[in-house]
Amino acid sequence: GESVGLHLPTLSVQEGDNSIINCAYSNSASDYFIWYKQESGKGPQFIIDIRSNMDKRQGQRVTVLLNKTVKHLSLQIAATQPGDSAVYFCAEYGGADGLTFGKGTHLIIQP
Amino acid sequence: DSGVTQTPKHLITATGQRVTLRCSPRSGDLSVYWYQQSLDQGLQFLIQYYNGEERAKGNILERFSAQQFPDLHSELNLSSLELGDSALYFCASSGQVYNTEAFFGQGTRLTVV
Repeated sequence: GESVGLHLPTLSVQEGDNSIINCAYSNSASDYFIWYKQESGKGPQFIIDIRSNMDKRQGQRVTVLLNKTVKHLSLQIAATQPGDSAVYFCAEYGGADGLTFGKGTHLIIQP
Repeated sequence: DSGVTQTPKHLITATGQRVTLRCSPRSGDLSVYWYQQSLDQGLQFLIQYYNGEERAKGNILERFSAQQFPDLHSELNLSSLELGDSALYFCASSGQVYNTEAFFGQGTRLTVV
């Protein structure tokens, strides 16, 4: 079946550095690709999405890059802060099938 | 606070039993989604309701069912519970039928013993 997965289960970065979280997907037919953040004890929280006909989208301190050629999605977080510590999920959206989530990457911020 | 309320927060029950999880969506949201999160399967989409009608079905077992009521709150019913049903169950809501931005509740942690 189709799958959305992440390359690394854990990513450790220094506070203030930029973080890059990667994701591989396999369903080329998805309309949107999305990043969600889940802090300990909370539900997932929407960060940013990108439509399948775009290759880059920027938000506040975050940038999502989509490379359809190699089916790769990344989330860049600028000037990582302690509050960015969380599990980050990439997800794909195909409309009627809801959101298909990847396994998640745990981002750890080192002081 | 996402505005989505789930009750109860924790639930411990025995195998073979039946439980009901409740979700109140954000004010004005017509779509409600249910997800199951477990360590081995990650976040799995179960089912979506929009304005009282079932809209999409994911990996939902036949032992599980859901409904959305006229006041838009939703319930997820889990029956003949097995140990493997132990997981976090999340409800999310959004304003539209199809929407990438869903607002998640804090989840109900179900433990089957």
